[in-house]
Amino acid sequence: ELKVEQNPLFLSMQEGKNYTIYCNYSTTSDRLYWYRQDPGKSLESLFVLLSNGAVKQEGRLMASLDTKARLSTLHITAAVHDLSATYFCAVDPSGSRLTFGEGTQLTVNP
Amino acid sequence: ETGVTQSPTHLIKTRGQQVTLRCSSQSGHNTVSWYQQALGQGPQFIFQYYREEENGRGNFPPRFSGLQFPNYSSELNVNALELDDSALYLCASSLTGVEQFFGPGTRLTVL
Repeated sequence: ELKVEQNPLFLSMQEGKNYTIYCNYSTTSDRLYWYRQDPGKSLESLFVLLSNGAVKQEGRLMASLDTKARLSTLHITAAVHDLSATYFCAVDPSGSRLTFGEGTQLTVNP
Repeated sequence: ETGVTQSPTHLIKTRGQQVTLRCSSQSGHNTVSWYQQALGQGPQFIFQYYREEENGRGNFPPRFSGLQFPNYSSELNVNALELDDSALYLCASSLTGVEQFFGPGTRLTVL
């Protein structure tokens, strides 16, 4: 059974600081996704990573994928309050279903 | 281009009742997947439909069933509702299978 683990599950950080969220998964997959979810809302797609070594950046967020280590990271640079949300990684080895991690609840404090 | 839409937005049911949730996929998308997200957890895959046929199912009992119509819209039906069925139900559509686009969700409360 595919397992996806994120850490930390809760992250409180100050504005302007940097931090990394980690996503480990148990089965080989070349497809990894990062989503953002605001309270009571649906999932917003942030990054789609489709190969080993893939790196994508959007604003203060950068995601990378190491398929050999079965690890993806979401790096936050100079955090701002607007980044406060829950972040999910998800894996889809077969192309037919997403398996999500538990989510990382990020709070950025002034 | 219209994105994924879901209805209703919220609903409240009592234990033992039946419910139908609806999803209209993004224009041209032939694959629809349904996920259940309990409070404080990540979404869990329920099942997927591709061109009106079930194309994979997660670890959910048979009282969770679905349909996909020729226009690729979809329904999720849940019979004999239980308290633990209270969750946000998300529908996602896809054309290529590479990326899924999520709808706004339906919040179901079972009392």
